[in-house]
Amino acid sequence: GQQVMQIPQYQHVQEGEDFTTYCNSSTTLSNIQWYKQRPGGHPVFLIQLVKSGEVKKQKRLTFQFGEAKKNSSLHITATQTTDVGTYFCAGQIYGGATNKLIFGTGTLLAVQP
Amino acid sequence: DAGITQSPRHKVTETGTPVTLRCHQTENHRYMYWYRQDPGHGLRLIHYSYGVKDTDKGEVSDGYSVSRSKTEDFLLTLESATSSQTSVYFCAISEWGSSYNSPLHFGNGTRLTVT
Repeated sequence: GQQVMQIPQYQHVQEGEDFTTYCNSSTTLSNIQWYKQRPGGHPVFLIQLVKSGEVKKQKRLTFQFGEAKKNSSLHITATQTTDVGTYFCAGQIYGGATNKLIFGTGTLLAVQP
Repeated sequence: DAGITQSPRHKVTETGTPVTLRCHQTENHRYMYWYRQDPGHGLRLIHYSYGVKDTDKGEVSDGYSVSRSKTEDFLLTLESATSSQTSVYFCAISEWGSSYNSPLHFGNGTRLTVT
């Protein structure tokens, strides 16, 4: 079936280091959303990307949507301990059934002070 | 946080028993969703609703049924729980459909253990 894969599954960094998680779809996406889930918490929406090649920034977070709309990335500059959690991408399959986001498997980020 | 309440927060049940999880929203959003979260699988859609009495299946709907008799309530029922249904269940809502620049707002989750 249609899948959205994320790598890496786990990343451990020292505070101040950069972090990137990648999301890849087997099919073209109409849009992609990113969520963050703190340990023991629930997913919280961060951002949505719609256009091919789109780049959006939120303070230290940079989100990109690939030209072919099959991949996306989230980059965090100078990580802080507050960035700890699991980051999920979620794609809407182009031409697929509406209202059915396909979530990636997530990347767990650990930040050592 | 969006006004979403899931109940119960934790439940332990035995194999073969029926279980109903409740999601209640105060946002008057049209769309409501049930996801399950398991290690290595991320979040998988079980069922969703696009209005009162209007529901559709997600990618892992086998063994689950849902009902929505009021805008604010979306119930998930496991008719006969199995150990493979041990998971964390999240309810989510969105103002418009998830394909229309309308983010999902999640509840706090229900941790279900089937022994």
